[in-house]
Amino acid sequence: GNSVTQMEGPVTLSEEAFLTINCTYTATGYPSLFWYVQYPGEGLQLLLKATKADDKGSNKGFEATYRKETTSFHLEKGSVQVSDSAVYFCALRAGNQFYFGTGTSLTVIP
Amino acid sequence: GAVVSQHPSRVICKSGTSVKIECRSLDFQATTMFWYRQFPKQSLMLMATSNEGSKATYEQGVEKDKFLINHASLTLSTLTVTSAHPEDSSFYICSARPGENSPLHFGNGTRLTVT
Repeated sequence: GNSVTQMEGPVTLSEEAFLTINCTYTATGYPSLFWYVQYPGEGLQLLLKATKADDKGSNKGFEATYRKETTSFHLEKGSVQVSDSAVYFCALRAGNQFYFGTGTSLTVIP
Repeated sequence: GAVVSQHPSRVICKSGTSVKIECRSLDFQATTMFWYRQFPKQSLMLMATSNEGSKATYEQGVEKDKFLINHASLTLSTLTVTSAHPEDSSFYICSARPGENSPLHFGNGTRLTVT
């Protein structure tokens, strides 16, 4: 079956620290992979995506590389800011269905 | 582009009443829209897939008579929580996508509180 496993939080980092949020997946076929971000009290916003193996999605300083060999799509940012505090969801699309991870809460302190 | 608007953002209602939540795709047509429910500090739970001009497809365990979905046009889907109870209090989020290969775009969610 299809599923997404995401590292559990919460994650607390100091401003300018390096961020990694792990995400691995299981899927039949060739899924597309996504990271979504949810700020407090809001819906989800697409952060970045990758549609095939070795693709790198990037946006707002965040990056994730679609690794087929390790079935991973880890989210990274070199220097986090207080405004990055949010919940991050890894997701995959297989066919017409979307599957979401459980979300990782990130708090960045000044 | 690909904006999804959800209304209202917050609603408080009394137990036993019904509440309607609207989801609109503002700049694209969506034959399919998705309704999710999110519990505190938990992931999204897909409730149902709304299909324009036909019946919604409900996920296992979701009461279709309680959560009525109507997708009357290519830009509007509504979720009505009927005879709401306090356990229905939650954050409801809709989403849609412009095309088959597009990512999902989400509304800002509706915080429902049933007293």
